[in-house]
Amino acid sequence: QVQLQESGPGLVKPSQTLSLTCTVSGDSSSSGSYFWSWIRQPTGKGLEWIGHIHTSGSTNYNPSLKSRLTISVDTSKNQFSLRLSSVTAADTAVYYCARVSSNWPREDHWGQGTLVTVSS
Amino acid sequence: EIVLTQSPGTLSLSPGERATLSCRASQIIFGSYLAWCQQKPGQAPRLLIYGASNRATGIPDRFSGSGSGTDFTLTISRLEPEDFAVYYCQQYGNSPWTFGQGTKVEIK
Repeated sequence: QVQLQESGPGLVKPSQTLSLTCTVSGDSSSSGSYFWSWIRQPTGKGLEWIGHIHTSGSTNYNPSLKSRLTISVDTSKNQFSLRLSSVTAADTAVYYCARVSSNWPREDHWGQGTLVTVSS
Repeated sequence: EIVLTQSPGTLSLSPGERATLSCRASQIIFGSYLAWCQQKPGQAPRLLIYGASNRATGIPDRFSGSGSGTDFTLTISRLEPEDFAVYYCQQYGNSPWTFGQGTKVEIK
């Protein structure tokens, strides 16, 4: 069974860089065709798609975050990562990683989410 | 960017009733690449429907999706106690992918 787990600091200071890693287990991230995705959710609010990297290496970012965002994947470690620079309090949210199949049928697997708070 | 508008914001129904949720897009969604997901408090979202009308693996047949172009609907034929949750539509046919703001289905 595929499982995803986010890891990284729960507290980041304003202007610093938020870095999260998602580790995939129960399946090989080097096989199949997927969108390795990040989504966030401020407390009590809706979901915001952050961006993804496809198995092919192509990336697709939310335009509102693009200038601060990097998503990468390391298939040898079954991990993919998020880096968001110059954070502010508005970046405080639960961050989810997800594996979305790019072939038919679509299958999604999500991590449990991790709360990241931006505060001094 | 495609804006998805969900209605109503909150739906108050009793178990056994039928729920009809709407998702309207600001422009045509390529390939009807519209998904619905369910989120319960403290949990990650779960995919219910993809490609507008296809149930994801393991999803009960009381959940159905329909629509094309800019108007999409999620129907829950008979609400079970475990169906009370927040539902989001998501389009993945156009970049950037976007979510609707959600519809909360609550117990009346």
